[in-house]
Amino acid sequence: EAQVTQNPRYLITVTGKKLTVTCSQNMNHEYMSWYRQDPGLGLRQIYYSMNVEVTDKGDVPEGYKVSRKEKRNFPLILESPSPNQTSLYFCASSSRDRGGGYTFGSGTRLTVV
Amino acid sequence: QKEVEQNSGPLSVPEGAIASLNCTYSDRVSQSFFWYRQYSGKSPELIMSIYSNGDKEDGRFTAQLNKASQYVSLLIRDSQPSDSATYLCAVKKDNQGGKLIFGQGTELSVKP
Repeated sequence: EAQVTQNPRYLITVTGKKLTVTCSQNMNHEYMSWYRQDPGLGLRQIYYSMNVEVTDKGDVPEGYKVSRKEKRNFPLILESPSPNQTSLYFCASSSRDRGGGYTFGSGTRLTVV
Repeated sequence: QKEVEQNSGPLSVPEGAIASLNCTYSDRVSQSFFWYRQYSGKSPELIMSIYSNGDKEDGRFTAQLNKASQYVSLLIRDSQPSDSATYLCAVKKDNQGGKLIFGQGTELSVKP
């Protein structure tokens, strides 16, 4: 089954404790992206990647890091999480084809206390 | 000005009616357009894509694109209570590495 897999689904952590949210896709997609969703603010892009070793900042990159060492994986790293990073996070992937839509993972609900 | 704009709603329609959702975008270079449906707490689900001027139909859904007016719309025919969700308009910028930009979403409520 074609899918984007994120882990974990739920995470509660403490301020300052480094964490990684994993994202993997099995569709051989070139494009991958991370979003956060907050009430009243909609979906905001954190980082995106055009291919292996090619990444760029989205609209809200502060406090986050990403890497794209393999085509299928695009982990999101929070080096020192803070309470304002409490949010619902989505990973998504897409082909380069014109009209190719992004497929989203199931989401990770992160709480930083 | 936001790059992708939608009315936040809520839009309320009776069961069986046509729901009309609208979206405008500011960058004429934008190349691909998408409609996603999102239920509360769930991930966005792709329901329609369009990149050529005109209409594109898929079952009860019709997407319309007017590049001259920078306008995208989604029509849902024979609306059902299960269509009640937030509908997100998105623009994919193929000249910027496939960057996908979302509007704020329109909440649709279909009343039985």
